Amino acid sequence: RKEVEQDPGPFNVPEGATVAFNCTYSNSASQSFFWYRQDCRKEPKLLMSVYSSGNEDGRFTAQLNRASQYISLLIRDSKLSDSATYLCVVNPPYIGTASKLTFGTGTRLQVTL
Amino acid sequence: NAGVTQTPKFQVLKTGQSMTLQCAQDMNHEYMSWYRQDPGMGLRLIHYSVGAGITDQGEVPNGYNVSRSTTEDFPLRLLSAAPSQTSVYFCASSYGRGGGYTFGSGTRLTVV
Repeated sequence: RKEVEQDPGPFNVPEGATVAFNCTYSNSASQSFFWYRQDCRKEPKLLMSVYSSGNEDGRFTAQLNRASQYISLLIRDSKLSDSATYLCVVNPPYIGTASKLTFGTGTRLQVTL
Repeated sequence: NAGVTQTPKFQVLKTGQSMTLQCAQDMNHEYMSWYRQDPGMGLRLIHYSVGAGITDQGEVPNGYNVSRSTTEDFPLRLLSAAPSQTSVYFCASSYGRGGGYTFGSGTRLTVV
């Protein structure tokens, strides 16, 4: 089983739609969680951290379910500019001072007119 | 603030050549990492550093060396380039291990 798994998509949605992505992780002791956005041929950019209580940033909502070991990202009122690949990122259990983020392969979103 | 700066942006090497990918950050971040990104495989950690003078291996360290003599700089050295090292390389930094990382714009490396 991969450490972090995502549906590669693509998810094709019309502008204004609501879309949700899930991501599962294998290590139950993972410490922190993030969603990154990556545009074609660009670097990943931090979209938001994911907290146990869930968190929202404008049209974006992230949830963490530790019992089922998955995180989710909900995008409301999709815009054309939301078209990108969304990367699920997990920080595994801390060993000493190590910092080894594990990236999913990404879910591609295409928003259309 | 420039953030994380990587040079060069593009590079073509012949098999067996060596080179250094440069990475510098101006955010006073202690944590820095090098990743490679290949189609269908996601980003994989090559080496990382938790402060000046401290480095460690990631998931795919073979064929690469790093050093961290200052907080700002974290160069990645390819010892003897191989076609399997054709990839996009990203440098990233963070204030701490629990935080999100800021990425540089990447180096596209082709080894022929």
